[in-house]
Amino acid sequence: GQQLNQSPQSMFIQEGEDVSMNCTSSSIFNTWLWYKQDPGEGPVLLIALYKAGELTSNGRLTAQFGITRKDSFLNISASIPSDVGIYFCAGQETSGSRLTFGEGTQLTVNP
Amino acid sequence: GAVVSQHPSWVICKSGTSVKIECRSLDFQATTMFWYRQFPKQSLMLMATSNEGSKATYEQGVEKDKFLINHASLTLSTLTVTSAHPEDSSFYICSASGDREETEELFFGSGTQLSVL
Repeated sequence: GQQLNQSPQSMFIQEGEDVSMNCTSSSIFNTWLWYKQDPGEGPVLLIALYKAGELTSNGRLTAQFGITRKDSFLNISASIPSDVGIYFCAGQETSGSRLTFGEGTQLTVNP
Repeated sequence: GAVVSQHPSWVICKSGTSVKIECRSLDFQATTMFWYRQFPKQSLMLMATSNEGSKATYEQGVEKDKFLINHASLTLSTLTVTSAHPEDSSFYICSASGDREETEELFFGSGTQLSVL
């Protein structure tokens, strides 16, 4: 089946630093999504990408849909302590269809 | 964004009992709901896809008689863990898609932490 490789697995950074994480796929997705999950909670959508090459921002977050449709990255600028959590990428083949998740990136921000 | 409500948030039960988890779409009609399972420090694993009014489609390795899914209405899907055992302890999460454009992104419920003693 499809697999998403997400890296890095974990990151430990200082407050104020920028963060970058990415996902690659063995197959094409038509939608890429980035979620953040806090402990004991469901994932919360951060950014959705619908077109190859698309670059989208949401506050301090920026994500891009790779031109090959097989990869995506998420950048967080000027990190703050509340950015702590697990970030997941997810690929979707068609609108409303199942998601394939990456393994997640655990982000720790030291004040 | 679209709202998906999941209850209960956590449940503790004795081994051998059954537990029902509800997933509701509050402001849209969910034609499709997805049930995921998540172990600590791991990603979400899709268990099954349920379409309103039809039988759920289970992923390989997921026992359909163990994890009963009912999607009888456009706003409610339930997952029943039958004869639960300690190895069923996990975090269960639902998501839904439906008739609103923004639900293409599949909004998630807040999850249910199941602990089987």
